[in-house]
Amino acid sequence: EPEVTQTPSHQVTQMGQEVILRCVPISNHLYFYWYRQILGQKVEFLVSFYNNEISEKSEIFDDQFSVERPDGSNFTLKIRSTKLEDSAMYFCASSSAEPKQFTGELFFGEGSRLTVL
Amino acid sequence: AQSVTQLGSHVSVSEGALVLLRCNYSSSVPPYLFWYVQYPNQGLQLLLKYTSAATLVKGINGFEAEFKKSETSFHLTKPSAHMSDAAEYFCAVSETGGGNKLTFGTGTQLKVEL
Repeated sequence: EPEVTQTPSHQVTQMGQEVILRCVPISNHLYFYWYRQILGQKVEFLVSFYNNEISEKSEIFDDQFSVERPDGSNFTLKIRSTKLEDSAMYFCASSSAEPKQFTGELFFGEGSRLTVL
Repeated sequence: AQSVTQLGSHVSVSEGALVLLRCNYSSSVPPYLFWYVQYPNQGLQLLLKYTSAATLVKGINGFEAEFKKSETSFHLTKPSAHMSDAAEYFCAVSETGGGNKLTFGTGTQLKVEL
């Protein structure tokens, strides 16, 4: 069964360092997402991506964050200068549905846990 | 703005007992509502969804949920819990007809005891 894969499963970094989280969405999906969950808090939407550009982003997704689909298969989330509060589980997801026909079925990866020291 | 509230961050039931996980939503437009499940060391998986058709929605693994507009609720139930149901369950909402993002609740950890 097709699945979304994420790497690394866990990354520990020092504050101020750059981090890249990688995702391989399901191959025929066209819409890609990043969500995150800070320990004990809600799963929060960060950004959606379609046709090589950002479709929507949340207030959390500030200039420190960027997304890219560099090679047609990978979908990456970059945090330029990590802060302690960026420590969270980051989930990648993909969907095949058009936004106006969206019915909520996202396919999620297992998550990448980021720990910023 | 849309939101969901899940009552009870931890729920414990005996094997064979009724499972009831509560979710209340807030939305300015007719919502789409979802339950996702996360088993240990796995990603989020769609359990079931309400998209304005039947108010009683059946999902995988014997779970079902009922959309009650008057109560703004979408509680998840299963008549008889199994050990394999132990997981974290997330209620989520999206707005009909626009956007493609989900707003999640804080999650409920279900523990099933012998």
